[in-house]
Amino acid sequence: DIQMTQSPPSLSASLGDKVTITCQASQNINKYIAWYQQKPGKAPRLLIRYTSTLESGTPSRFSGSGSGRDYSFSISNVESEDIASYYCLQYVNLPDTFGAGTKLELK
Amino acid sequence: QVQLKESGPGLVQPSETLSLTCTVSGFSLTSYGVNWVRQPPGKGLEWMGTIWNDGSTDYNSALKSRLSISRDTSKSQVFLKMNSLQTEDTAIYLCAREANWEPFDYWGQGVMVTVSS
Repeated sequence: DIQMTQSPPSLSASLGDKVTITCQASQNINKYIAWYQQKPGKAPRLLIRYTSTLESGTPSRFSGSGSGRDYSFSISNVESEDIASYYCLQYVNLPDTFGAGTKLELK
Repeated sequence: QVQLKESGPGLVQPSETLSLTCTVSGFSLTSYGVNWVRQPPGKGLEWMGTIWNDGSTDYNSALKSRLSISRDTSKSQVFLKMNSLQTEDTAIYLCAREANWEPFDYWGQGVMVTVSS
């Protein structure tokens, strides 16, 4: 199974900050990584697929990049509605595997 | 519009079998796969298994001996059965749609299952 090492586990930011979350795969995942946002009591919401393709409705302040084993997800100009947990997912090989998650909090 | 909704018992006795249903609308089970994912309280997401559009299945190796996923395409329903439940199986259980070589895109709201006597 491909392991996804996501960091940091938690992040504290002020409104307007830029934050970055990283995921490192245990092997090359050929850009097959997605990023999800999850708010308490809600299902995950797909934000980005295939490393950097924003889903319809995903604000442009969200972005993704990377290749090979190393990937990152950023939020520029953090807004209050961005306070949530974020997960990466590799979907190149079964089983699909998630990162452990990053909880974004307001400073 | 695409919707998925999980249903099932909220409380299961230890060693018993969990049965959940995911009822979908807005797409066909013969065109998309449906996954089961679970999330223990306050923890991360764990993929459990998939039933693909052709009816084939894949399971998380850690759960394979206890888990079965099936479907009824005429009713647009996907079923999860997992036996020998223990307290560590307490979690929110979610179903999610997936196309081949695409990530899970639409999710149900989830159902909380507590394993307790």
